[in-house]
Amino acid sequence: AQSVTQPDIHITVSEGASLELRCNYSYGATPYLFWYVQSPGQGLQLLLKYFSGDTLVQGIKGFEAEFKRSQSSFNLRKPSVHWSDAAEYFCAVGVRGGGNKLTFGTGTQLKVEL
Amino acid sequence: DTAVSQTPKYLVTQMGNDKSIKCEQNLGHDTMYWYKQDSKKFLKIMFSYNNKELIINETVPNRFSPKSPDKAHLNLHINSLELGDSAVYFCASSQKGVGEQYFGPGTRLTVT
Repeated sequence: AQSVTQPDIHITVSEGASLELRCNYSYGATPYLFWYVQSPGQGLQLLLKYFSGDTLVQGIKGFEAEFKRSQSSFNLRKPSVHWSDAAEYFCAVGVRGGGNKLTFGTGTQLKVEL
Repeated sequence: DTAVSQTPKYLVTQMGNDKSIKCEQNLGHDTMYWYKQDSKKFLKIMFSYNNKELIINETVPNRFSPKSPDKAHLNLHINSLELGDSAVYFCASSQKGVGEQYFGPGTRLTVT
């Protein structure tokens, strides 16, 4: 069965600083990988996805993520954080077939200091 | 235009009651899902339907019964509500095999 680990429960960065949120997955084959963002009281919004091909994927709001098969990682990055980026971030892994089930990490709460 | 919508947004009820949550998507997707997010923000899939057929049924008490009248709608009925059912329930949809899922705004269920 697949699993996702987000090692950082909370991260605080200053506005304008760079950001990297870590995600490690466990799955026997190449998975689908996703990052979602959840603002307080809101649903989940898809930031970006990786299915295959180029291992560096670009998403919305200036986010990018890099798939590293050797490290089983899919870390999310942003070069300059804005105060509006404060939210909960979830990494998720999906399997090919199997009903398109997504398994989520426990989330990383991002706080942005002005 | 809301892509995935849920009603109600908030639901407060007493233990032992029966309640339903409704979900509709206008994305033309053929697969819909229910997820539960607990108080620690952990998200776990409960069910998925593809074209009105149940595809995923995780280890969920049989007090929870999903129903899909057509591929644009997926409802969740919960019998004999318990305190532990308090959570946020999210509906999502996707095109089967594509992977990415689009989520609704959630329904916050509080059982007292």
